[in-house]
This record gives sequence, C-alpha cells and structure tokens, in this order.
Amino acid sequence: EAGVTQFPSHSVIEKGQTVTLRCDPISGHDNLYWYRRVMGKEIKFLLHFVKESKQDESGMPNNRFLAERTGGTYSTLKVQPAELEDSGVYFCASAGGLYSPLHFGNGTRLTVT
Amino acid sequence: AQSVAQPEDQVNVAEGNPLTVKCTYSVSGNPYLFWYVQYPNRGLQFLLKYITGDNLVKGSYGFEAEFNKSQTSFHLKKPSALVSDSALYFCAVRDKPSSGSARQLTFGSGTQLTVLP
Repeated sequence: EAGVTQFPSHSVIEKGQTVTLRCDPISGHDNLYWYRRVMGKEIKFLLHFVKESKQDESGMPNNRFLAERTGGTYSTLKVQPAELEDSGVYFCASAGGLYSPLHFGNGTRLTVT
Repeated sequence: AQSVAQPEDQVNVAEGNPLTVKCTYSVSGNPYLFWYVQYPNRGLQFLLKYITGDNLVKGSYGFEAEFNKSQTSFHLKKPSALVSDSALYFCAVRDKPSSGSARQLTFGSGTQLTVLP
C-alpha cells in the first residue's frame, strides 16, 4: 500500500507570506494527525482529524494555523501569515484505529525567513 | 498530563556492541508506549509498541524494549548494533482513556544514535 505522502518536501517563504502544506493519508485511514518539530526539539501534536471532523485541535499554536480535511481524505495545513518561529518540520500521520501505530509521512521542512 | 523524557540527546556505540536508548514516561493511567525511528530526510517509522502483556516487546530490525512499570521506563535495546542503526530515535506515549476520548501521542525530544564502525 502507498504510505503517507506530504507535499511539498521543502518550503522557503518570507515572513508574512502564506504557505499551505498537504497530506495524503493511507487510503482507508480515518485518523489523521499533524505534528511538528521545531528547532530540534520534541515532536509536538497539533491536531487530530477523524474523517473530516476535528477531534482534537488543542495543539494548534494560534489562529494563524488552519487545518482542513474536506471529504475526509487528504488534509491541508495553512499558515497565514507565517512568522519566523513557524520554521520547523511538519509531519502528517495516519492510523486506521485510535490506538493503532501511526504511519508518518516524510515531513515538510518549512523555513520562514 | 502525559510526558516522555529521553535523557540522552546523543548515544554512541561501537558496531557489534549492545545498545540502549533510554526513555521514561508519565501518564495518569496505563500507558501505550511506542518507539519510532527517523532516518535522515525521512518520516518516522514505527519500531515497536507495548500495550499489555509481556514486559519485553520485540520489534523491527532486531530491536526490543523492556517495559518497567515501577520505574516508569521503556528503554530500547538491541544486542548487537549495526552502523545502519544510526538514526534519530523517539519514544512516545499515549494513555488508555477511561472515557473513550481520543488521546494524542506525546513524544520525547529524541536521541541521536551513532554506531561507530
């Protein structure tokens, strides 16, 4: 089966610009998660979708971040406007069940200059 | 709140020697524990998990981990390290909910393992 795919793999934008990250989960996985790792620190949870519904968005840092999963398939994470501290690696993961192991994508490395 | 600690940022070991990557956790209930590995420019790959049962869990690539409830630890081990094991290792925990609500995975800060030839 195809794994979790993320696009783009790298993005370099200027402060104040907008960036949209995309994640295609493994087909059939209802659970989709966004995580990010900033400055080599721990990987932190951002939010969790079950199908198209936001189950838990307690990790979203502020209202500059907007995640969607229309139709319960792929998901997008938009950062608008981007700030310097948003730089990091954004991971998407999917899982078939709530307590199944997560399958991660390769991540999107975002650099805000 | 649940948390995970990986006390070592870096672990170096000679090829052929046993390796241990340490992890301790804190949860309010019984834990689900995971180890993931990240190779350069790749996503995290699942290695193994502990849910219940035998305290020694065997996973991919010859890795195993020992769950110790009294010490709240879940150290990753391998009897004989390979140069190709060099990567970034993350321990993670989820608690088992009593209410059925979802719990996100909480990761440690990662340990860079370098196996020297």
